This record gives sequence, structure tokens and C-alpha cells, in this order.
Amino acid sequence: NAGVTQTPKFRVLKTGQSMTLLCAQDMNHEYMYWYRQDPGMGLRLIHYSVGEGTTAKGEVPDGYNVSRLKKQNFLLGLESAAPSQTSVYFCASSDDFNEQFFGPGTRLTVL
Amino acid sequence: DQQVKQNSPSLSVQEGRISILNCDYTNSMFDYFLWYKKYPAEGPTFLISISSIKDKNEDGRFTVFLNKSAKHLSLHIVPSQPGDSAVYFCAARRDNAGNMLTFGGGTRLMVKP
Repeated sequence: NAGVTQTPKFRVLKTGQSMTLLCAQDMNHEYMYWYRQDPGMGLRLIHYSVGEGTTAKGEVPDGYNVSRLKKQNFLLGLESAAPSQTSVYFCASSDDFNEQFFGPGTRLTVL
Repeated sequence: DQQVKQNSPSLSVQEGRISILNCDYTNSMFDYFLWYKKYPAEGPTFLISISSIKDKNEDGRFTVFLNKSAKHLSLHIVPSQPGDSAVYFCAARRDNAGNMLTFGGGTRLMVKP
């Protein structure tokens, strides 16, 4: 089992460009999450999904959109990137109320 | 307003000694607490958890203590090993918020040989 995988691992964008981060899990988990990690801030929840076709806002959703068209995939989109979105992005998945399993992260720099 | 705080950004201990990492929270609705460990360039991995109905949970060298009245939890690692050097995050879950977690800012533990 690969667990949770994220694509790409690194990306550099210019302000105003768009991109999509892909998260895939092979554990048949219902719940999936997108977090961003900034120094001293821990991980902050951007959006999450409780099942295929569902999405909901987390703590810091502004500037991001998500889609969960297939149970195993959770996409995070940036329509118009800003320097404030420079961060490390982590995807996670879980069964209902069990611990979350995290991917290796995507380091995004917006110039 | 951070609901989960880890006030020590870093901690250095000698190999073989005890490491104590602390975490404070403000929301009394949190009913489940977790510790995650993170190595550089990797995602966080689950370490240990505790329900609010307990005050202690032990797993090998790792023990988590919960003091509900003080809204404080701590992670004890005994004995500490160089491979324990990592960033540790505490996280909390509310009883009516699905499985969403609120994370602290993390504590970088360095275990010196």
C-alpha cells in the first residue's frame, strides 16, 4: 500500500498563476483533508471531505477550492496564487474517528 | 486565537534521559487528543492518543498525560533516543466536529547522543 501520495512534491508559481495539487489514498478512507503548515503555526485545515462528492470549509479556506469526484482522490486548487499561499501543503485521510494518515507534503512557493 | 498551544518551540535532551513535551488547550469541548511526530521532508505520523475520559495512556517508551482541569497534556518519552529527534505536534478533536483536528504549533525535540 502506498498510503497517501501527493503530486507534485515541489512547485514554484508566479503571482496570479493557477495550479492543482493532487492527493490520492489507497486505504479506502471516507474522510480526506487538506492542511497548510507555516512556521510556528502548526497545521491549519483548509478544506475537508467526509465522502465522495462532498466538501466543506476548514479554518483557512479563502483562496482555495477543492473537489472529491472519486473516493480515493482529493484535489486542491489555487485559482490565482498569492505570495501568502507560500507554504507546505499536506493531505491526510482517515476512517471516521480514527487517526489521520498524512502524505509527504507539497512545498509551494509563490513569487 | 490559538486553541491549542505548544509554548516551547524547541527542547534539547541527552540520550537516555526523559523528554517532556507540553501542550495547553482552551476549548473545553475537545474530547480527544493526539500526538504526531514529523521528520523533515515527511508528513506527520501518528504517535499516541488519549481520550478525555482517561488521564494517562502508555505505549512503550511514550506516555501521554491529560489534566482536564488544567486543560493541559504532556508527552513523556523515556528513555529518549537520537531517532526521536523530530517536531512533535499535539492535536485536539471536538466531540461534535467530525474528525477535524486543531493542531498546536509544534515543538522541535533534539536528542543529543
